[in-house]
Amino acid sequence: GAGVSQSPSNKVTEKGKDVELRCDPISGHTALYWYRQSLGQGLEFLIYFQGNSAPDKSGLPSDRFSAERTGGSVSTLTIQRTQQEDSAVYLCASKSSDSSYEQYFGPGTRLTVT
Amino acid sequence: AQSVTQLDSQVPVFEEAPVELRCNYSSSVSVYLFWYVQYPNQGLQLLLKYLSGSTLVKGINGFEAEFNKSQTSFHLRKPSVHISDTAEYFCAVTPPGAGSYQLTFGKGTKLSVIP
Repeated sequence: GAGVSQSPSNKVTEKGKDVELRCDPISGHTALYWYRQSLGQGLEFLIYFQGNSAPDKSGLPSDRFSAERTGGSVSTLTIQRTQQEDSAVYLCASKSSDSSYEQYFGPGTRLTVT
Repeated sequence: AQSVTQLDSQVPVFEEAPVELRCNYSSSVSVYLFWYVQYPNQGLQLLLKYLSGSTLVKGINGFEAEFNKSQTSFHLRKPSVHISDTAEYFCAVTPPGAGSYQLTFGKGTKLSVIP
């Protein structure tokens, strides 16, 4: 079956612009995660959605970052007023609510802020 | 809070030689442990996981890892590597029980297999 998909695969934006990154999880997966992978920082958790529960936003680095998940499926990560330090690969993962903790990752969106 | 240390950022190894990628963790509670592999320009793929039971865990592509509670380690091994194993490998932990099960990752080890 189809895996986790993310779009765009690459995004170049100017400092100060807003960007939206999209994630389509595996059909039927109720849990969705966003991570950021940057040089020197490794992989960092950003936000978690589970069903209709309030999201866990504890990993968001600043209030310029936000995410939503519509209809319990597609998720959008929005970065406002992008800064150069936001340049990274943004990874989305989904998980079936009854799996053994296995998260399935998408290919990521590479964001470059110039 | 948990933390993960991967002691080697890069490991070069000749084809058909054995390899060990080291991972140590720190946690005030018990954890579940994972190894993920990332091939160039791809997402992460689960290699293996330790939740409970036997401390020697076998995964895909001939990899295995051993959980050592006293050493707080979860080293990844393969007896004979192939060119196709060239990738970046990430060790990760998450606490069991209720919660978001977010993964805490190490900074990764780049494995380069030399022909």
